[in-house]
Amino acid sequence: AQSVSQHNHHVILSEAASLELGCNYSYGGTVNLFWYVQYPGQHLQLLLKYFSGDPLVKGIKGFEAEFIKSKFSFNLRKPSVQWSDTAEYFCAVSRNNAGNMLTFGGGTRLMVKP
Amino acid sequence: DVKVTQSSRYLVKRTGEKVFLECVQDMDHENMFWYRQDPGLGLRLIYFSYDVKMKEKGDIPEGYSVSREKKERFSLILESASTNQTSMYLCASSLGGDNQPQHFGDGTRLSIL
Repeated sequence: AQSVSQHNHHVILSEAASLELGCNYSYGGTVNLFWYVQYPGQHLQLLLKYFSGDPLVKGIKGFEAEFIKSKFSFNLRKPSVQWSDTAEYFCAVSRNNAGNMLTFGGGTRLMVKP
Repeated sequence: DVKVTQSSRYLVKRTGEKVFLECVQDMDHENMFWYRQDPGLGLRLIYFSYDVKMKEKGDIPEGYSVSREKKERFSLILESASTNQTSMYLCASSLGGDNQPQHFGDGTRLSIL
């Protein structure tokens, strides 16, 4: 079975610091990759997604992620975080021809100190 | 904008009760999903449905069943609730196809006493 690993469970940063959250998956075939964010008290929202093409994808609110196929990774980055980025971030993977089923990582709680 | 509505934000039930969680989406999506969210474990797929009356088991279907009698509605049923089913339950929907993003409801926090 495929799995998704997010190595950082809790991250605390000061405003304006740079952010990188790691995500690795175990499936060797063609995958679709997603980052979702859950702000306190809100539902999960899509940050960005990768299906094919340019491995560097840009999402909402200044986030970007890079797909590195050789490392089975899809790390999320933001050059300068804001207090409003405090949230839980989830990496998710789906395989082609698998009915759009997502496998999620365990999540990373980000706290940004003002 | 896609709206996925879960019938309750908070629910408290007793061990052994039959529990129904309801989810409705308003975008004519083919796919619907039920997850449970637990700290440190992320979201785990319980069941999903890609069409009316169709259902597929996810990663953790034991103790649960589902019903999809209409395209817009997907119900999760706990046949006999147990304390280890205390969790946050999330419903999602998406268009058909492999790479469609899923849209999530606000969640139901279920406590089994």
